Amino acid sequence: QQQVKQSPQSLIVQKGGIPIINCAYENTAFDYFPWYQQFPGKGPALLIAIRPDVSEKKEGRFTISFNKSAKQFSLHIMDSQPGDSATYFCAATPNNAGNMLTFGGGTRLMVKP
Amino acid sequence: ETGVTQSPTHLIKTRGQQVTLRCSSQSGHNTVSWYQQALGQGPQFIFQYYREEENGRGNFPPRFSGLQFPNYSSELNVNALELDDSALYLCASSLREPDTQYFGPGTRLTVL
Repeated sequence: QQQVKQSPQSLIVQKGGIPIINCAYENTAFDYFPWYQQFPGKGPALLIAIRPDVSEKKEGRFTISFNKSAKQFSLHIMDSQPGDSATYFCAATPNNAGNMLTFGGGTRLMVKP
Repeated sequence: ETGVTQSPTHLIKTRGQQVTLRCSSQSGHNTVSWYQQALGQGPQFIFQYYREEENGRGNFPPRFSGLQFPNYSSELNVNALELDDSALYLCASSLREPDTQYFGPGTRLTVL
């Protein structure tokens, strides 16, 4: 069964802290790993994505670390701000499956001022 | 470039009824995917349409069906509604290859 396991379920950090959200997958056919941010009442919005040919990708304050052998990947948010308070989802899809994403369960992040 | 839009925003139905949700894909995108997001959970893939044909399906029963039109807009139909169908239904559009999916704001369906 295709699964993506995400942890922690919730996270509270102070402003300026570096929250880290982890995901693990089982299906070795997965080869595209996006992270989405979702605010209440809104649809998910793509933050950053990575393919398994690189071990790290940075875009602004967001960094993905990818460990292919361990089948794990994580999101780091540098210098977190209260506006980053949202729910974050990791996801994955195989190359031959179009864009049929399998999502993790989500992490609710709160950044305190 | 217009974004993904969905209608209606909210919908209340009773058990056993049928519902149709609509989605307009982002300009230039030929693939539409539908997801169900239960409260407090991640979205679950329902199905995907590419050039008006179903291109893949998740673990959902046949009472969940869809259409894609020549302009790439799409409908999700759910028959014989059950209480557990209460969720946020998300539409996402993209190009065919595994790439960025752009999600709409969703339709909140409540089944009483």
